[in-house]
Amino acid sequence: AQTVTQSQPEMSVQEAETVTLSCTYDTSENNYYLFWYKQPPSRQMILVIRQEAYKQQNATENRFSVNFQKAAKSFSLKISDSQLGDTAMYFCAYNTDKLIFGTGTRLQVFP
Amino acid sequence: DGGITQSPKYLFRKEGQNVTLSCEQNLNHDAMYWYRQDPGQGLRLIYYSQIVNDFQKGDIAEGYSVSREKKESFPLTVTSAQKNPTAFYLCASSIWGTDTQYFGPGTRLTVL
Repeated sequence: AQTVTQSQPEMSVQEAETVTLSCTYDTSENNYYLFWYKQPPSRQMILVIRQEAYKQQNATENRFSVNFQKAAKSFSLKISDSQLGDTAMYFCAYNTDKLIFGTGTRLQVFP
Repeated sequence: DGGITQSPKYLFRKEGQNVTLSCEQNLNHDAMYWYRQDPGQGLRLIYYSQIVNDFQKGDIAEGYSVSREKKESFPLTVTSAQKNPTAFYLCASSIWGTDTQYFGPGTRLTVL
């Protein structure tokens, strides 16, 4: 079965610091996609970053970057220069024919 | 302005009543999805539709029904057969064959 595991239920970071959220997944597929979604208090799911499994290069979107380790089935999210607006739930997700979500990490950014 | 809209934002239902949640998109996406989110959990797939007049069950379809009469619209009916319907419901859409789904703002359903 395909599963996504986020082992950190809650994290906190001070404004302007860097934080890394962990995600591991289990699959027998070779071609797939990985995502990080952000869910702020408004509860709308917002796409943060996307990684294609066949690409070795780690994806980057402004202050957000991933560390994709295909052999280890690991997909962590690094947020640099954390901002108060980054406070949210963060969900890791895996997609071949459907999206499978982890249980989320609640990130609190403190001033 | 392109996007996905869901209405209402909050919905209250008495036990034994059916209720329909609306989802509309003007992104010209082929595929649409319904997810349920419970506290402390990720999203779980209820139903999805790749094209008009066609839809498939997801992982937790029991007690729900959908229709896809128009490309832009994918309403979800929560029937009285759904034993624990109180949850947050999210609609999403994508271009079929691509991997990225975009989400609406959600509907919070509470059964009284």
